Amino acid sequence: AQSVSQHNHHVILSEAASLELGCNYSYGGTVNLFWYVQYPGQHLQLLLKYFSGDPLVKGIKGFEAEFIKSKFSFNLRKPSVQWSDTAEYFCAVTRGSQGNLIFGKGTKLSVKP
Amino acid sequence: SQTIHQWPATLVQPVGSPLSLECTVEGTSNPNLYWYRQAAGRGLQLLFYSVGIGQISSEVPQNLSASRPQDRQFILSSKKLLLSDSGFYLCAWTGSNTDTQYFGPGTRLTVL
Repeated sequence: AQSVSQHNHHVILSEAASLELGCNYSYGGTVNLFWYVQYPGQHLQLLLKYFSGDPLVKGIKGFEAEFIKSKFSFNLRKPSVQWSDTAEYFCAVTRGSQGNLIFGKGTKLSVKP
Repeated sequence: SQTIHQWPATLVQPVGSPLSLECTVEGTSNPNLYWYRQAAGRGLQLLFYSVGIGQISSEVPQNLSASRPQDRQFILSSKKLLLSDSGFYLCAWTGSNTDTQYFGPGTRLTVL
């Protein structure tokens, strides 16, 4: 069955540190890839997405992600985190034209001021 | 612009009681609608999705059911709640030509 793996359950960083959250998926066909973020007490919201084209995708708030097809990966990065980036981050995948998202278990990011 | 509403925001129910959670979308027509459950440390699990009125697909067999009586209304129900039904329930929508899903604020359900 298709699955999405997020390698870290909880990441703790100091402000200005660089961030990389891992995401791997198991499906071998055409995929659409997403990162969602859930700030404390807020809605789950879209951070960035990849459908096709340039595999390096820029999102909101300085986040970016790189799709590496050969590694089945879509890791999320930010060069310098801020305290306001404290949130839970979810990687998700849809298969081709289907709209059903398959989510990873999420990674909780805590940024110390 | 499109908005998605869920209610109630929080709910505490005894075991064995019925459940009805409502989700409505404004500003769009014929959306695809989804119900997810989010449990701590387990990510989001797709429960049901609907591509049109009266059309429901179940992803995981369990104690819950879903209905779509109107184009922009999606209801999650149970006849008898179990303790294991506790969790955070999220509704999401997407347009027919896009895979990007937009989520509602969620309902926190506690079954005691």
